[in-house]
Amino acid sequence: GENVEQHPSTLSVQEGDSAVIKCTYSDSASNYFPWYKQELGKGPQLIIDIRSNVGEKKDQRIAVTLNKTAKHFSLHITETQPEDSAVYFCAASKEGGGADGLTFGKGTHLIIQP
Amino acid sequence: GAVVSQHPSRVICKSGTSVKIECRSLDFQATTMFWYRQFPKQSLMLMATSNEGSKATYEQGVEKDKFLINHASLTLSTLTVTSAHPEDSSFYICSARVGNRGYGYTFGSGTRLTVV
Repeated sequence: GENVEQHPSTLSVQEGDSAVIKCTYSDSASNYFPWYKQELGKGPQLIIDIRSNVGEKKDQRIAVTLNKTAKHFSLHITETQPEDSAVYFCAASKEGGGADGLTFGKGTHLIIQP
Repeated sequence: GAVVSQHPSRVICKSGTSVKIECRSLDFQATTMFWYRQFPKQSLMLMATSNEGSKATYEQGVEKDKFLINHASLTLSTLTVTSAHPEDSSFYICSARVGNRGYGYTFGSGTRLTVV
């Protein structure tokens, strides 16, 4: 089955600086890579996703890059703000045809220092 | 759009009793729903895939007789934790795929189960 590795487990950055979280996956058939933000006691919220036919996607301060050859994808948050503090999870799945659930990374606790 | 409502948000039960958690898709039909479990400070682990009108598919190591899943309609899936024990205390989260392909997954707000 799929295995998703995520690094770092904790990331502390100064407010206004950029944060980068990296993930690798093992199953070359995976084609959908979402990123979720989870606040304490709540369900995960999708912040951005990318599919394997695209190398990069951006939404305001958030961007995701995908390298299919190397099987890794990264989340980039620029101009970080205190409200960005949360746990972020990357995930991977195979879309289309079957009904596969998501395989999640172990999460990154992002701390924005004021 | 694509909202999944999960209830209850918190439940405390006595050891040996059963607890039912509901997951509803509010504005779309969900042929497939997924149930995840998350222990404190850990990641989400897929427990089972719930298919409308057929049996659920369980991940390796998940006891199907303990975690009963029913997906009787296109908008409702339920997870029943039977004969709950303290080690079943966890955060349970449901998710639904939006559309058959290409639309991602949306998650419920989760249920905090505490077994005492």
